[in-house]
Amino acid sequence: NAGVTQTPKFQVLKTGQSMTLQCAQDMNHEYMSWYRQDPGMGLRLIHYSVGAGITDQGEVPNGYNVSRSTTEDFPLRLLSAAPSQTSVYFCASSYVRPSTGELFFGEGSRLTVL
Amino acid sequence: GENVEQHPSTLSVQEGDSAVIKCTYSDSASNYFPWYKQELGKRPQLIIDIRSNVGEKKDQRIAVTLNKTAKHFSLHITETQPEDSAVYFCAASEGSNDYKLSFGAGTTVTVRA
Repeated sequence: NAGVTQTPKFQVLKTGQSMTLQCAQDMNHEYMSWYRQDPGMGLRLIHYSVGAGITDQGEVPNGYNVSRSTTEDFPLRLLSAAPSQTSVYFCASSYVRPSTGELFFGEGSRLTVL
Repeated sequence: GENVEQHPSTLSVQEGDSAVIKCTYSDSASNYFPWYKQELGKRPQLIIDIRSNVGEKKDQRIAVTLNKTAKHFSLHITETQPEDSAVYFCAASEGSNDYKLSFGAGTTVTVRA
């Protein structure tokens, strides 16, 4: 199993550009989520999904969109990038709800917005 | 929502000594408290977790304790080794939403040889 795969690993954007961070998992996990990691602020939940067709907002959803058309994929879209969105982004999945089992993280995507 | 505070932000210990990281949470209904370790440039990985019906849990050199009354939990690492150098994150589930985990800000642990 590849686990949780994120692409791209690195990306530089200009303010106002759009892009999509891809996340795929091959563990048949129902739960998938996106976190951003910033120095001194830990991991903050952006959006999460409890299954195909079901998404919900986390702690810091503004400026990000998500959709879940399949169990395997959970892309994160930035519609109009801002410098405040410079961060490392992690996709994470779990077989059950995260309050009962381990979250499996991808390797991260480092995004810089100029 | 849940608010998790983690202290200290950095911790330097001599190899062989113990390291203790403390976290407090705000939601008295939280019932799941995992700890994740993130080595430099790598992904976070679960190292130990504890549920609200348990006061202490051990796994070799690491242990976690939970005080529900005071709403705090701690990670203890004994006999530290260079490979313990990493960033450690505590987390707590939201009592009203099992699908949300709130993380602390992280503790950078450095083990000096």
